[in-house]
Amino acid sequence: NAGVTQTPKFQVLKTGQSMTLQCAQDMNHEYMSWYRQDPGMGLRLIHYSVGAGITDQGEVPNGYNVSRSTTEDFPLRLLSAAPSQTSVYFCASSYSLGGLYNEQFFGPGTRLTVL
Amino acid sequence: EDQVTQSPEALRLQEGESSSLNCSYTVSGLRGLFWYRQDPGKGPEFLFTLYSAGEEKEKERLKATLTKKESFLHITAPKPEDSATYLCAVQANTNAGKSTFGDGTTLTVKP
Repeated sequence: NAGVTQTPKFQVLKTGQSMTLQCAQDMNHEYMSWYRQDPGMGLRLIHYSVGAGITDQGEVPNGYNVSRSTTEDFPLRLLSAAPSQTSVYFCASSYSLGGLYNEQFFGPGTRLTVL
Repeated sequence: EDQVTQSPEALRLQEGESSSLNCSYTVSGLRGLFWYRQDPGKGPEFLFTLYSAGEEKEKERLKATLTKKESFLHITAPKPEDSATYLCAVQANTNAGKSTFGDGTTLTVKP
């Protein structure tokens, strides 16, 4: 199993450009999420999904869009990049047992710089 | 609003010098508390899940405990390879899909 994969690993954008961060998992997990991590800080939830066709907002959703058309993929779209979106982005997935989402499996991250 | 506070922000230990990391939380009904380890430039890696006050879990030199207000990650006789950032996260009964993370404790173990 590859686990959770993210592409690209590094990306530099200019203000106003758009791009999609890709995330895929091969563990058949129903739950997937996107976080951003700024220097010296923990993870802040951007968007999450509890299954194909179902998404919801997290703590910091502004400026980001998501969709979930398959169980495996959960792309994150930046429609018009801003310098405040410079960060490291992590995708994660998890499974549920008895209604509780268990530990999350994280990807290696995408380091994004917006100039 | 769920809140997680970790202390200290940074901890420097000599090899073999035991210590504890703290995770204080405020949540409207705890569903689970998670500990993760994060190495520089990598994604977090799961360590433990605790569900109820009084619960303890152990793995090698690490032991996690839970009370109704906080969790501790005890590190016994640490080695340099234990150096990492340790993150704590909570899930609430009212928001099953959302995890709230603390800012982490960066542990450095000197040989």
